[in-house]
Formats: sequence, structure tokens, C-alpha cells
Amino acid sequence: AQSVTQLGSHVSVSEGALVLLRCNYSSSVPPYLFWYVQYPNQGLQLLLKYTSAATLVKGINGFEAEFKKSETSFHLTKPSAHMSDAAEYFCAVSDQGNQGGKLIFGQGTELSVKP
Amino acid sequence: DTEVTQTPKHLVMGMTNKKSLKCEQHMGHRAMYWYKQKAKKPPELMFVYSYEKLSINESVPSRFSPECPNSSLLNLHLHALQPEDSALYLCASSQKPGRSQETQYFGPGTRLLVL
Repeated sequence: AQSVTQLGSHVSVSEGALVLLRCNYSSSVPPYLFWYVQYPNQGLQLLLKYTSAATLVKGINGFEAEFKKSETSFHLTKPSAHMSDAAEYFCAVSDQGNQGGKLIFGQGTELSVKP
Repeated sequence: DTEVTQTPKHLVMGMTNKKSLKCEQHMGHRAMYWYKQKAKKPPELMFVYSYEKLSINESVPSRFSPECPNSSLLNLHLHALQPEDSALYLCASSQKPGRSQETQYFGPGTRLLVL
């Protein structure tokens, strides 16, 4: 079975500081990994995804994530936080069994950005 | 155009009411999904439609009845709901059913309150 764990249900950074949101996965096969962002009262928007091409994945809004097989991690980073980055962030892995396409989400990390 | 639309945005219903949620996409996607999301939690998969046929039902109570009349439209019929069914209901779509690397595109959701 595949799963993801997001470390830290809440992360707070100052505007202009580095953003680091942690995600570790568990999978017996090479995983497909996704980061989604959810702004208040909205749906989920894809930030980026890893599908076994380059290990460093660049996404929208200046976010990127690095796939590290040795650490089973797919942490999300942004060099400089902006107030508009305050949102809920979900890491997800895609089921590759007979329910192909089913997303398995982590518990989410709420990012706060202080002025 | 990567838009999934959902109507209504908000819905209040009594436990004896019958109502429907509607989801639409015009991206030619052949997989469509219903998720339920409680506050401060990740989305939970309810149903998946592949090529207009129900392919996954995550043991959802029968008071929720999905329908996929055509490849662009997905409905969720609600009847005799309970207050604990109050949540944000998200619709999503992806291009090809069963492919684990596919991106799911989410709508803005319908916020449901059951009184």
C-alpha cells in the first residue's frame, strides 16, 4: 500500500523567508507524487508533480520539489515566501494498483506567512 | 482551458430534502471524481467514473447517488442526508482513466450544510 506523511500540520514563516514543507512517502514501486495547494474556500490547485523524469521538479508560483529516493522524500520549497502563499498544502501519491489514478493524500500542512 | 465548474457554490438542506450537485468540464477528460472534504482534513475519495461508468465506489452510503449522464457532466444526488454529511464536496477530472501519472483538476467545490 502507498501512503504519504506530511510532517508538521502547521508551518509559520516570515515574508521573504524560505518555505520548506515536508512530505515522506511509502511505496513499493516508483511513485507518482503531487503537491496541491488549497486557498481558503477554494478547490485544490496542482503546484507540481513527479512522474519519474527529473528529480528536481519546478512548479507554479516559484515552488519546487526534489524527489529523493534514498530518503523517501518529496519536500516542497520556495526561496522567498509571499503573503499570498498562505494556504493549505497537500502532498499526494497516486495509487498504482487496481485503483490506478486514485490519489492518496497526506493530512495537509497549513502555511502561515507573517509580515 | 483547465476549468472544472461546480454548482451550486453553497447549499443548505434539511434531512428530508432531495438535492443535486452538478459538475462540468469541457477538457475532454474521461475520468471524473467526487471527493468529500471536512474542515482541516484532506479530501476523501467517494466515487470515480471512467468513460462514463462507475469504476470506484469507496463504500459510500446509498444516500449519495452519483450519475454521469455524458462525458462532460457529473452529478451527485443527495437524499436523506445527516448533519455529519456537511462538508465541502469537490469534483475533479483527469484525462485518461486508470493512469496513475495523470493530473486531477479540481473544481471550486460545493459547501453543503445539512440541518
